[in-house]
Amino acid sequence: EVQLLESGGGLVQPGGSLRLSCTASGFTFSSYGMSWVRQAPGKGLEWVSAISGSGSNTHYADSVKGRFTISRDNSKNTLHLQTDSLRGEDTAVYYCAKGSFQLGDFWGQGTLVTVSS
Amino acid sequence: DVVMTQSPLSLPVTLGQPASISCRSSQSLVHSDGNTYLSWFQQRPGQSPRRLIYKVSNRDSGVPDRFSGSGSGTDFTLKISRVEAEDVGVYYCLQGTHWPLTFGQGTKVEIK
Repeated sequence: EVQLLESGGGLVQPGGSLRLSCTASGFTFSSYGMSWVRQAPGKGLEWVSAISGSGSNTHYADSVKGRFTISRDNSKNTLHLQTDSLRGEDTAVYYCAKGSFQLGDFWGQGTLVTVSS
Repeated sequence: DVVMTQSPLSLPVTLGQPASISCRSSQSLVHSDGNTYLSWFQQRPGQSPRRLIYKVSNRDSGVPDRFSGSGSGTDFTLKISRVEAEDVGVYYCLQGTHWPLTFGQGTKVEIK
């Protein structure tokens, strides 16, 4: 059974940082691209970032480019999203999803990031 | 960036009746590999999104056959043949052909 479990969310001040993680199980992690998608309170889905199975290719939404960094540790079946220079508009539930350009056959339950002073 | 425009944004439906959601892209979603990476997602209240359809018309495992996807190029449709109470939620299209990936605004389906 495929499982994706996010962690690392919380309350952070503007300008602060958080490192989100997603632990995967039930599939050959290194064979698949992975993505982060976020959803601000009461709003729609926004794609944030994706990474190839090997980790050699990464892509970002314009809204986070230069501030967020996606990475993965295939030895630990874990996906990361380093979020720096956080702003109020980054407040959202962050989901990890299996796949990159064909993302979404499996999703995690999400982790809430709140940026507020 | 590719803009995905869904309509309608709100869709009141009667149980047992059909429903249809349109998704239009600002440029063709035909990839250089010949595939069209257009997916549909359902998000029930309080839940994570669930993919229903990938590559325009392929149903994901476990998705009821009352859901179908169609379209080509820049014009795509999700149809529910007979709406059931469990279909209430917000539906999103997503294009995976061009970076950055982009979602539609979402269509809220509710029962009349």
